[in-house]
Amino acid sequence: NAGVTQTPKFRILKIGQSMTLQCTQDMNHNYMYWYRQDPGMGLKLIYYSVGAGITDKGEVPNGYNVSRSTTEDFPLRLELAAPSQTSVYFCASTLPSSDEQYFGPGTRLTVT
Amino acid sequence: GENVEQHPSTLSVQEGDSAVIKCTYSDSASNYFPWYKQELGKGPQLIIDIRSNVGEKKDQRIAVTLNKTAKHFSLHITETQPEDSAVYFCAASKEQAGTALIFGKGTTLSVSS
Repeated sequence: NAGVTQTPKFRILKIGQSMTLQCTQDMNHNYMYWYRQDPGMGLKLIYYSVGAGITDKGEVPNGYNVSRSTTEDFPLRLELAAPSQTSVYFCASTLPSSDEQYFGPGTRLTVT
Repeated sequence: GENVEQHPSTLSVQEGDSAVIKCTYSDSASNYFPWYKQELGKGPQLIIDIRSNVGEKKDQRIAVTLNKTAKHFSLHITETQPEDSAVYFCAASKEQAGTALIFGKGTTLSVSS
């Protein structure tokens, strides 16, 4: 199993541009999450999904959108990038019967 | 909502010493408390967790203690090694379907040989 994979690893965006951060897991996990990690801070939840077709907002959803058309994929969309979205983004997944969240390696995004 | 405070933000120890990281939480309904280790350039990885019906849990050199009355929990690492150097995060959640983890701000542990 590759676990949780994220692409790209790094990205620089100009203000107002859009992009999609990709997240894929091959563990057949129902639950998937997107977090952002700012320097010196813990991870904050952006969006989560408990299964295909079901998504819900987390603590900091503004400026982001998600979709979950398959169990494996949970892309995160930034429509109008702002400097405040400069961060490291982590995707995670878990089974309903488990509490352990498996994290991907992260995407470092800079908006200038 | 839940708020998790973590101390210290940085911790430097000599190889072989013990390291202790402490966290407090605000929501008495939280009942699941994991600890994650994050190495440079990688995602967090679970190292140990504890549930509210248990006061202490050990796994080799790592232990976690929980005081539900005081709403705090701690990570103890004994006989530290250079490879223990990383950022450690505590978290809390209510262990419900889809409930997110609320993370502390992290502790950077440096173990020098």
